[in-house]
Amino acid sequence: SAVISQKPSRDICQRGTSLTIQCQVDSQVTMMFWYRQQPGQSLTLIATANQGSEATYESGFVIDKFPISRPNLTFSTLTVSNMSPEDSSIYLCSVDRGAREAFFGQGTRLTVV
Amino acid sequence: QQPVQSPQAVILREGEDAVINCSSSKALYSVHWYRQKHGEAPVFLMILLKGGEQKGHDKISASFNEKKQQSSLYLTASQLSYSGTYFCGTETTSGTYKYIFGTGTRLKVLA
Repeated sequence: SAVISQKPSRDICQRGTSLTIQCQVDSQVTMMFWYRQQPGQSLTLIATANQGSEATYESGFVIDKFPISRPNLTFSTLTVSNMSPEDSSIYLCSVDRGAREAFFGQGTRLTVV
Repeated sequence: QQPVQSPQAVILREGEDAVINCSSSKALYSVHWYRQKHGEAPVFLMILLKGGEQKGHDKISASFNEKKQQSSLYLTASQLSYSGTYFCGTETTSGTYKYIFGTGTRLKVLA
């Protein structure tokens, strides 16, 4: 298994501001992923974050809105920029050690007012 | 593009069985199954790989029909702890470890 620490666990933010979410893993992993889950809905992949390269974004998500950093093999951040109420959601980081078993952080519950 | 799961919701009594289906419009390399309880992160249950390999949970089984791009999760003799939302996660290209999650199935087991 993998232990993933995600911070903050929740936040209430003003529209127009930005929030950076941190994801720390207890061991080195090549692949880290960021998902969004709106209340009662499924998980939607935002981007794949690999160390040493630019993040790869899924359709509908852009770097200007969701910049991602991956400075090393145990850490990544996702920033939600210029927030609007539509960005209110749960954001989850996920890792896969190559065994095709995804582990998730506990999520960050974001409310934009 | 998102895999479709059926049923959307199901209510069972303890000891009853259930089947959850996952159908994709794309060819699949692997299918995963996860259970998410309210307010918690999804937890891995099982993986089925193209070619028949699978690994996962002792009391939960699944099948993968590669030709039909479908998978089914079988929950037998359900327990209260089985309650939650079940998601299939599909990988369309080998080696990406990138999973697209299905629409979800809410399952509630009653005593």
